Amino acid sequence: SAVISQKPSRDICQRGTSLTIQCQVDSQVTMMFWYRQQPGQSLTLIATANQGSEATYESGFVIDKFPISRPNLTFSTLTVSNMSPEDSSIYLCSVEAFDRGSGEQYFGPGTRLTVT
Amino acid sequence: DAKTTQPNSMESNEEEPVHLPCNHSTISGTDYIHWYRQLPSQGPEYVIHGLTSNVNNRMASLAIAEDRKSSTLILHRATLRDAAVYYCILGDKIIFGKGTRLHILP
Repeated sequence: SAVISQKPSRDICQRGTSLTIQCQVDSQVTMMFWYRQQPGQSLTLIATANQGSEATYESGFVIDKFPISRPNLTFSTLTVSNMSPEDSSIYLCSVEAFDRGSGEQYFGPGTRLTVT
Repeated sequence: DAKTTQPNSMESNEEEPVHLPCNHSTISGTDYIHWYRQLPSQGPEYVIHGLTSNVNNRMASLAIAEDRKSSTLILHRATLRDAAVYYCILGDKIIFGKGTRLHILP
């Protein structure tokens, strides 16, 4: 398994500003994922981030709004840009387990974002 | 992407077995079947996965139909801590549907 930490754990931001969320893993992993969970909803995959290449975004998510960095095999950031109240969600990062291709993933504790 | 169908919610008594069904009639031959769960106020937690054969681990068992068009997650002895939303997911990209909300009655 992998131990994943996220910073900040929560934040309250004003509309129009940006927030960068950090995800740190205690071991080297190839693939990292970013998800969003809006209040009362299931999780939605935002993008997949591989080290050394641009992130791959899911339908409905664009790089200008959610830029992602993946500078090394243990770290990634997700920025939520030009925030609006609709961006209020829990943002989670996850990593694929060692048994690559099986889809076994471990999730961080999440960052609870409130936009006012 | 292959689609899964799960009941919206289920109830079970504490200390009894729970069988959580999942239908996936359009599954492809290479799709893994994954189960995750999300306890209240926590991130999702991997439970189990399988391809063709039944699988057991510390948390649960996964029974896969011979034609692979359905599967069942089995919690052998439910505790109050097992109350969560359980997600059945196909393929190698973990995309969450609505899942089944499992209530455990004391």
